[in-house]
Amino acid sequence: GAGVSQSPRYKVAKRGQDVALRCDPISGHVSLFWYQQALGQGPEFLTYFQNEAQLDKSGLPSDRFFAERPEGSVSTLKIQRTQQEDSAVYLCASSGGDFRETQYFGPGTRLLVL
Amino acid sequence: AQSVTQPDIHITVSEGASLELRCNYSYGATPYLFWYVQSPGQGLQLLLKYFSGDTLVQGIKGFEAEFKRSQSSFNLRKPSVHWSDAAEYFCAVGAQAGGSYIPTFGRGTSLIVHP
Repeated sequence: GAGVSQSPRYKVAKRGQDVALRCDPISGHVSLFWYQQALGQGPEFLTYFQNEAQLDKSGLPSDRFFAERPEGSVSTLKIQRTQQEDSAVYLCASSGGDFRETQYFGPGTRLLVL
Repeated sequence: AQSVTQPDIHITVSEGASLELRCNYSYGATPYLFWYVQSPGQGLQLLLKYFSGDTLVQGIKGFEAEFKRSQSSFNLRKPSVHWSDAAEYFCAVGAQAGGSYIPTFGRGTSLIVHP
């Protein structure tokens, strides 16, 4: 079966532009996570969905960041008025309904803000 | 709040040599611990995880890790390294959140393998 997919794989934006990053989780996975990975760092948690409910958004760095998962499958991470410090790799992961289940990561979207 | 320290930014080993990557964590309760590997251009892949039980955990690709509560450590080991093991390795400690867990990652250790 297919793994987690993300699109686009690369995105270049001018400062001030809005961007939308898409995540297609593994079919049937109820949990979906977004992480931000800056160059040379480990991933940092942004937000978490269980089905369509956003249970935790404590990691979103500012109100310019917004995530949604309206039908409990595909998710979109939107960044408004991008800034240079938003440049990073954005990782999506999904897992089944039990907390011991493995999170499977997508390849990431590399965002560069100029 | 939980945290993870990976004290080695880079580790260089010769192919066939043994490997140990260090990880120390800080967490108030019983930790959920993980090791992930990230190859260039690839997503993170789980090598192994510890939730409870046997403190020596076996993972994929011949890796193992040992949970030592007294030392707050979860070091990753492999008896004989292959050139294909060259990658970035991340240790993480997880907090349960609803039906899943939220991992806090270390900054990673870059493994370089010499032929």
